[in-house]
Amino acid sequence: SQQGEEDPQALSIQEGENATMNCSYKTSINNLQWYRQNSGRGLVHLILIRSNEREKHSGRLRVTLDTSKKSSSLLITASRAADTASYFCATDRRLGGGADGLTFGKGTHLIIQP
Amino acid sequence: EPEVTQTPSHQVTQMGQEVILRCVPISNHLYFYWYRQILGQKVEFLVSFYNNEISEKSEIFDDQFSVERPDGSNFTLKIRSTKLEDSAMYFCASSSSGTGFAGELFFGEGSRLTVL
Repeated sequence: SQQGEEDPQALSIQEGENATMNCSYKTSINNLQWYRQNSGRGLVHLILIRSNEREKHSGRLRVTLDTSKKSSSLLITASRAADTASYFCATDRRLGGGADGLTFGKGTHLIIQP
Repeated sequence: EPEVTQTPSHQVTQMGQEVILRCVPISNHLYFYWYRQILGQKVEFLVSFYNNEISEKSEIFDDQFSVERPDGSNFTLKIRSTKLEDSAMYFCASSSSGTGFAGELFFGEGSRLTVL
């Protein structure tokens, strides 16, 4: 099954505005992670939220998780031009986790207009 | 800060040739992964490796692919008889614990493979 579908696929906002991206998934999870990818670069881990958590903050990032709706959102406050990147949510390939790696969504391409 | 390093950054090869992509994971990590990303598309799981053996592989990781940890530091992906559709960015990642626990993956900058 397809895990981690982000929406919107693309988002363009003005610098200083808040950016919200959403992720939906199909099966039960241990935790959900968000990663960022600058064009042509590797993925960088942003934040992890566990299945028993509802909200988590890290700097300008706020992540929520609603396991009943199988969805998560990533909010970036006071956006900056440097936040321009693609953002991916990721879940365990199997509920037990372990060495099985993550499944990534298709990502949201965020463009911050100066 | 420790990082995952990958070589080469870009490789161009002829269809049918073999390529080896190399990765040096973070030194105290135990779990290793290869992912690929075709231009503009999602990041796809290929294989995970733990305790000197494959833990899981996706349907993409067929007999054309193999992985090896030949020494204590390197982790390689070999693609035999490359096809045009193997053109992609290949990412190596490592983690200190399984993804059900701390879970964070550290990615390298990728190796871009172009098959002509």
